[in-house]
Amino acid sequence: NAGVMQNPRHLVRRRGQEARLRCSPMKGHSHVYWYRQLPEEGLKFMVYLQKENIIDESGMPKERFSAEFPKEGPSILRIQQVVRGDSAAYFCASSPIRDRGNTGELFFGEGSRLTVL
Amino acid sequence: AQSVAQPEDQVNVAEGNPLTVKCTYSVSGNPYLFWYVQYPNRGLQFLLKYITGDNLVKGSYGFEAEFNKSQTSFHLKKPSALVSDSALYFCAVRAPNQAGTALIFGKGTTLSVSS
Repeated sequence: NAGVMQNPRHLVRRRGQEARLRCSPMKGHSHVYWYRQLPEEGLKFMVYLQKENIIDESGMPKERFSAEFPKEGPSILRIQQVVRGDSAAYFCASSPIRDRGNTGELFFGEGSRLTVL
Repeated sequence: AQSVAQPEDQVNVAEGNPLTVKCTYSVSGNPYLFWYVQYPNRGLQFLLKYITGDNLVKGSYGFEAEFNKSQTSFHLKKPSALVSDSALYFCAVRAPNQAGTALIFGKGTTLSVSS
């Protein structure tokens, strides 16, 4: 009974490199959310996706960040040309097909911790 | 826009004493409210939620939360704290019946329970 799977758990990149973080939602879940956690800022919403669709990307930085959730395979959060300020824990969460009332909780992965040198 | 405030960065209690972790919210309409807990280097775990009905919600590990509409609060409580309750606690809100809305989280409150 696998939960939300994220990999890698830890990733080290040098400034200017690319970081790719992957998230496989729980079985039966078709909604994926990405959050970023910084020590003094708490958990910040980045993007919400369904299969092949970005539903809400209001929390995504305008440049260098992108996300996708293809028909097959995991969701990918991609950060191009990383900078030190990108160092954070990135959490993925999933939920099943949303009920009309939008009442469901999210199920979180263990996170991917990005360190930019 | 919806938002959540957790006014305390840290709460310290002695084991066996009652604990309260505070949360206030701002959202249009009747909110959906959630509490999550995070242990070090782990993901967030769901504790409880309020959708409608009884203002007192019971959740996992003996935690409960009280929804107070007039004070726009949703404080997390436990009658008798355990050392193992020490963790980071997040309150979250979602506006109801809006397509494509994610949970919005507070900054978190660190709970430290001493033996």
